[in-house]
Amino acid sequence: AQKITQTQPGMFVQEKEAVTLDCTYDTSDQSYGLFWYKQPSSGEMIFLIYQGSYDEQNATEGRYSLNFQKARKSANLVISASQLGDSAMYFCAMREGHTGFQKLVFGTGTRLLVSP
Amino acid sequence: ETGVTQTPRHLVMGMTNKKSLKCEQHLGHNAMYWYKQSAKKPLELMFVYNFKEQTENNSVPSRFSPECPNSSHLFLHLHTLQPEDSALYLCASSQDNNQPQHFGDGTRLSIL
Repeated sequence: AQKITQTQPGMFVQEKEAVTLDCTYDTSDQSYGLFWYKQPSSGEMIFLIYQGSYDEQNATEGRYSLNFQKARKSANLVISASQLGDSAMYFCAMREGHTGFQKLVFGTGTRLLVSP
Repeated sequence: ETGVTQTPRHLVMGMTNKKSLKCEQHLGHNAMYWYKQSAKKPLELMFVYNFKEQTENNSVPSRFSPECPNSSHLFLHLHTLQPEDSALYLCASSQDNNQPQHFGDGTRLSIL
């Protein structure tokens, strides 16, 4: 069974508008972490935002915020005031386990296209 | 400067060749990772090294052989690869469980 589900293969948004990228997850762990990464066409994975399962507040980093709905097991990424440079693949990932290293499970990604 | 450097950026090799991918991290992290990213598939974790010890091998075929001589360097030795091994290979490093992994730019590998 997929542990991370991103149901939107592609999303379109106009510049300066907000967009929400969906992510649902499946885990039986009480302690876990959720990450969002951006991958431009050049290939590098850029960390955007992190939410711990015990964090009571939704994470925010500049124009990025994470809409964490624990009971629904969703961790949607909200990008406010989209910019042309936001066009990229976006991956949701979950960290399971409590060891010193992370075992991340990634979703299939959502391709975001920002138009002028 | 990403903090995690991968070389080469692109590699084309025949199925009988032997080559190595290199990853170096300048962040003082203690864990390093190899991922494979194929078209239209999620990133697949291949290997994890924690304090130079291999702690994870996700059923990767033996034609991929990792090496971690110290906590800053990670290699992936390739031999007798198959066309389906063509993919983007990403290296990452992290400090502890809750800090994000930092990725390199990847090596785009094409097997002829």
